[in-house]
Amino acid sequence: DTGVSQNPRHKITKRGQNVTFRCDPISEHNRLYWYRQTLGQGPEFLTYFQNEAQLEKSRLLSDRFSAERPKGSFSTLEIQRTEQGDSAMYLCASSQDRTGPHEQYFGPGTRLTVT
Amino acid sequence: AQSVAQPEDQVNVAEGNPLTVKCTYSVSGNPYLFWYVQYPNRGLQFLLKYITGDNLVKGSYGFEAEFNKSQTSFHLKKPSALVSDSALYFCAVRDSPDSWGKLQFGAGTQVVVTP
Repeated sequence: DTGVSQNPRHKITKRGQNVTFRCDPISEHNRLYWYRQTLGQGPEFLTYFQNEAQLEKSRLLSDRFSAERPKGSFSTLEIQRTEQGDSAMYLCASSQDRTGPHEQYFGPGTRLTVT
Repeated sequence: AQSVAQPEDQVNVAEGNPLTVKCTYSVSGNPYLFWYVQYPNRGLQFLLKYITGDNLVKGSYGFEAEFNKSQTSFHLKKPSALVSDSALYFCAVRDSPDSWGKLQFGAGTQVVVTP
């Protein structure tokens, strides 16, 4: 399977704990995006990488959130001191934009539940 | 700022009848428009996109969409709906040409196709 993969698929954690999610994009894609989706809403942009550089962060991304893409391949999203409001589906997407705007391909998501 | 509106929370259609899912957008420049579909517990799947050129765009699974610049709309259509088309549909827009590529999604429209 050469699609976008995300791990874990589900994560249940207690309030105040730290969690880390991983995204493996499609191998030839230079751009990687993180979105958050809550029930009944469309995905909301969190942050974006071009290769290893993080080029934009949404105001939704508080100081408790950090994302990395150390070698321009996989990416991690860490949430520190989780809060119940962080419960959501976290989606990763990748695209190849070298030759113009291409569609983003999404992974299956990581569903976070903070108790 | 870019925005997308999907005015219908849910669309109900009988199998074999035409299906239309509405989307209007607002951008500062020329729009790049996308439709995605989401099945339960799965990530978003790309259906089609409008970048430039013909206003009628054909995509996956028999779907098409018509770009209307004067009405700032990008409605998704399928001539004959199938029960398997029942899913959540998202319209998304991206500013061009210099945006970093983040997508602004609508709230989604639930499509229910009855046998």
